[in-house]
Amino acid sequence: QSVLTQPPSVSGAPGQRVTISCSGSSSNIGAGYDVHWYQQLPGTAPKLLIYANNNRPSGVPDRFSGSKSGTSASLAITGLQAEDEAHYYCHSYDSSLSDSVFGGGTQLTVL
Amino acid sequence: RVTLRESGPALVKPTQTLTLTCTFSGFSLSTSGMCVSWIRQPPGKAPEWLALIDWDDDKYYSTSLKTRLTISKDTSKNLVVLTMTKMDPVDTATYYCARISKCISTSFAFDIWGPGTMVTVSS
Repeated sequence: QSVLTQPPSVSGAPGQRVTISCSGSSSNIGAGYDVHWYQQLPGTAPKLLIYANNNRPSGVPDRFSGSKSGTSASLAITGLQAEDEAHYYCHSYDSSLSDSVFGGGTQLTVL
Repeated sequence: RVTLRESGPALVKPTQTLTLTCTFSGFSLSTSGMCVSWIRQPPGKAPEWLALIDWDDDKYYSTSLKTRLTISKDTSKNLVVLTMTKMDPVDTATYYCARISKCISTSFAFDIWGPGTMVTVSS
């Protein structure tokens, strides 16, 4: 059981907006540690999607955005496309565990 | 262009030691702020951070696995090696190496990943 909690699945129709939450605590997100997001397409390695809460690496479409507030963070995807169907993972640091930690992951289905 | 690639045995027996090599190009591990990390992902599960080595040869390990892990680097050959002792079937996973280009705090992100190598632990 991860210290970062994500919904197991979310879905949306093409063109819609979806959000994926990442709920933490005072020893990770709430302590001010950055949150990063990764997209994992089937059979491939995770790819960095958002770093340091709300920054996109070069080449990531601006349909993807991140935010952080209190002990939680969110990934928003607008203008859903079929190619967005993937697993999404949040990632941060936990001071109680002294470890870099991942969320349990969220499967996005594009209906 | 930055690339990383993992290599090692696809199958190890329980109790054996696993040795994995990460060969990279497009960056130098002698550059200040640069790190390489190992992450694993059991089938159908989330990734799990394992270890990290930085440009200054400092090493950091997962709290739960640190007694079994050793990470090292050869900067001249652009490679990082991870060894994991006492392998068990629960260690069956895809093992990834990844670059961290801003490795100056504990809030680092893995910005480039290798394709991964699947390791099965079975007798």
